[in-house]
Amino acid sequence: DAGVTQSPTHLIKTRGQQVTLRCSPKSGHDTVSWYQQALGQGPQFIFQYYEEEERQRGNFPDRFSGHQFPNYSSELNVNALLLGDSALYLCASSFGLADSTDTQYFGPGTRLTVL
Amino acid sequence: DQQVKQNSPSLSVQEGRISILNCDYTNSMFDYFLWYKKYPAEGPTFLISISSIKDKNEDGRFTVFLNKSAKHLSLHIVPSQPGDSAVYFCAAMKKTSGSRLTFGEGTQLTVNP
Repeated sequence: DAGVTQSPTHLIKTRGQQVTLRCSPKSGHDTVSWYQQALGQGPQFIFQYYEEEERQRGNFPDRFSGHQFPNYSSELNVNALLLGDSALYLCASSFGLADSTDTQYFGPGTRLTVL
Repeated sequence: DQQVKQNSPSLSVQEGRISILNCDYTNSMFDYFLWYKKYPAEGPTFLISISSIKDKNEDGRFTVFLNKSAKHLSLHIVPSQPGDSAVYFCAAMKKTSGSRLTFGEGTQLTVNP
């Protein structure tokens, strides 16, 4: 049973560029959430996708956007990269949405470095 | 506004002793709390959780205590093992919020042989 997978593992970009990160949820899961973990901090919620729609959003600018595909996989896009976007980006999957305490499973993350 | 705080960035204990990791929260709407463990180069792994209607939940060597009036929870690991060395994150959520987690900053636990 494959867990949550993310690609790429590492990425280096320059300021102003755009980046796309990818996530495949754990088998049987239909909800994908994205988190940003800056160095020395805990993960911060970016947004969540369910049924191919953004259902919730954290305190992140519109430069951060996403998409969920019919097979439940998801992409995170960041435009006009800033140095402060350097972080570990984590994808988490779970089943269901409302009133859900179903355990979220996290992928290994994508390490993004902006130079 | 840091709604979940872990005030100890690091903790060092001897193998076989008890590890106690602490977490405080400010948002009284949170009604479900979780602990995750993270090893380097891996994503956080779920460890144990507790609903706000309980004050204790136990799973093997791991016990989580919740004090709602103090808005405080703690994770006890007994006995501690070197393999428990990792970063531990406390997280909180509101069950109707669709599993959106708010994390603390994490505590690096080191268990010395």
